[in-house]
Amino acid sequence: ELKVEQNPLFLSMQEGKNYTIYCNYSTTSDRLYWYRQDPGKSLESLFVLLSNGAVKQEGRLMASLDTKARLSTLHITAAVHDLSATYFCAVPQGGSEKLVFGKGTKLTVNP
Amino acid sequence: EPEVTQTPSHQVTQMGQEVILRCVPISNHLYFYWYRQILGQKVEFLVSFYNNEISEKSEIFDDQFSVERPDGSNFTLKIRSTKLEDSAMYFCASRPNPLGPGSNQPQHFGDGTRLSIL
Repeated sequence: ELKVEQNPLFLSMQEGKNYTIYCNYSTTSDRLYWYRQDPGKSLESLFVLLSNGAVKQEGRLMASLDTKARLSTLHITAAVHDLSATYFCAVPQGGSEKLVFGKGTKLTVNP
Repeated sequence: EPEVTQTPSHQVTQMGQEVILRCVPISNHLYFYWYRQILGQKVEFLVSFYNNEISEKSEIFDDQFSVERPDGSNFTLKIRSTKLEDSAMYFCASRPNPLGPGSNQPQHFGDGTRLSIL
């Protein structure tokens, strides 16, 4: 059964700093999704990573996928307070439509 | 931008009662899903629905749960006899046809219904 592990689960960082969130998954998948969730809100799609070596950037966030290592990273550059949220990675299980989510990384960016 | 809409935003129900959660997926989407998130925990898959039938369901989705697309726009989740442990945020999601040009699209989530069982 597919397992998706994120670390860290909690991340407190200062504005202007850089950091990386890691997402490991246990079985082969050719795609991975990153979502953002603000407290009490829905899941907002951030990135769709579709192949090995895929790299996507949006503002201060950059996501990458290494399907051989079964690893995705979400890199935060020069963090700002508005990035405070919980970030989830999700992987489709076995070619199905079922998404298996990691536990999420709660990011707090302090002034 | 088109959105997935869910109603109600918050539902409070007595244990043992039936509850229906409603969703209007994005209009040209063909694949529909329900997920739930117990407070502070990860998002869990419940069921996927395609071509008017369940395509996949999790072990959580037992006989107490059912889904329906009663007309061309709504997609509902019914819990027949609610239990305390059904308290969670329930998210509906939709996606274009995964076999067509929309195959690279993510699942789009609604704002959720917070279900509280007393």
